[in-house]
Amino acid sequence: GDSVTQMEGPVTLSEEAFLTINCTYTATGYPSLFWYVQYPGEGLQLLLKATKADDKGSNKGFEATYRKETTSFHLEKGSVQVSDSAVYFCALMEYGNKLVFGAGTILRVKS
Amino acid sequence: DTGVSQDPRHKITKRGQNVTFRCDPISEHNRLYWYRQTLGQGPEFLTYFQNEAQLEKSRLLSDRFSAERPKGSFSTLEIQRTEQGDSAMYLCASSAGDRGLPEAFFGQGTRLTVV
Repeated sequence: GDSVTQMEGPVTLSEEAFLTINCTYTATGYPSLFWYVQYPGEGLQLLLKATKADDKGSNKGFEATYRKETTSFHLEKGSVQVSDSAVYFCALMEYGNKLVFGAGTILRVKS
Repeated sequence: DTGVSQDPRHKITKRGQNVTFRCDPISEHNRLYWYRQTLGQGPEFLTYFQNEAQLEKSRLLSDRFSAERPKGSFSTLEIQRTEQGDSAMYLCASSAGDRGLPEAFFGQGTRLTVV
């Protein structure tokens, strides 16, 4: 079945450092891809999405490009802030009904 | 704020007891989802409704679990004869639209602890 694999955390960075969180997926068809973020004490929020190959999703300085050839959707940000500390989940959706999530990556940003 | 709300936020129950959780989706969202999240894992799909119809159930949803959405608005998730393995965060999400890629909005979840 469909699955998503994320790099294990926690990832600890200093403020203004460059962030990459790797995500690869396995799917039978052509899924849509998502990054969700969960801040402490809050619910999951959609961060960005991409619906087809070579699409780039972006939001709040974060970016991810849908790479069909490598089945990847890595999350990047050029300069992280303390307020970016959260858990990040990569997810896919096929057939528009349910999300399949990775295990999540904890990001800690130090000032 | 009229986001997705879940009640209760926390529930501690003894093994063997029944529990029921409630989810109120965003008004007029016709799709409603239930997920389960255990520590260190991402959410796992349990079931989803389009209006009042339950369209898909995961194999994770054993016979002890039942979900309803009687009027196509709020939903309940009941777990009968709880087991320690049922301890998890239960998440509800809702989305609008019948086609395309509707964004799913999540509630803050109900944390269940079975002792």
